[in-house]
Amino acid sequence: AQSVTQLDSHVSVSEGTPVLLRCNYSSSYSPSLFWYVQHPNKGLQLLLKYTSAATLVKGINGFEAEFKKSETSFHLTKPSAHMSDAAEYFCVVSVSNTGNQFYFGTGTSLTVIP
Amino acid sequence: KAGVTQTPRYLIKTRGQQVTLSCSPISGHRSVSWYQQTPGQGLQFLFEYFSETQRNKGNFPGRFSGRQFSNSRSEMNVSTLELGDSALYLCASSLGRGAATDTQYFGPGTRLTVL
Repeated sequence: AQSVTQLDSHVSVSEGTPVLLRCNYSSSYSPSLFWYVQHPNKGLQLLLKYTSAATLVKGINGFEAEFKKSETSFHLTKPSAHMSDAAEYFCVVSVSNTGNQFYFGTGTSLTVIP
Repeated sequence: KAGVTQTPRYLIKTRGQQVTLSCSPISGHRSVSWYQQTPGQGLQFLFEYFSETQRNKGNFPGRFSGRQFSNSRSEMNVSTLELGDSALYLCASSLGRGAATDTQYFGPGTRLTVL
């Protein structure tokens, strides 16, 4: 069975400080992992994805994530938070038995304090 | 390339009515997936269509149905609406190769309110 656990429902950081959003996954197959961001009343935008090529993945807007198989983790980081980073972040695991079905975490709401 | 488009963006219906939502995928994408997003349940997978066939299905009642046309555009229908169907319905398109590496690209969603 596949599942994703986002360990924090809400994270608050000051502008200019590092961001860490935590994600653990469970998968019976070799997974692909994604991070998406959702701004209020908007659809989901892809930040980055892991597909077994490199364990450290760089995404848009300065975000990156590291795949750690031994810890079944895929945490999202950014060295310096910006006000525009305030949004909901979703960790997603995808497997392909038939088609590619996405399994979403419950989301982490990021607040950036000026 | 144009992104995924969904129409309408907002809908207000009353209990017992039915509703049809539309999704146009990115050009060249053959797979369309639908998701329901609510504050209580988060993002839940409804179904996926590929080449006009339902390839995957989530755990929703039969009141939720969909279809895909030969141009890959997709519609989803909800019959006999209930208050709990109020949600943001998101459509996502992908190449549809069936690989876990396929990225899904999301539309802006249709906000359905059931009164």
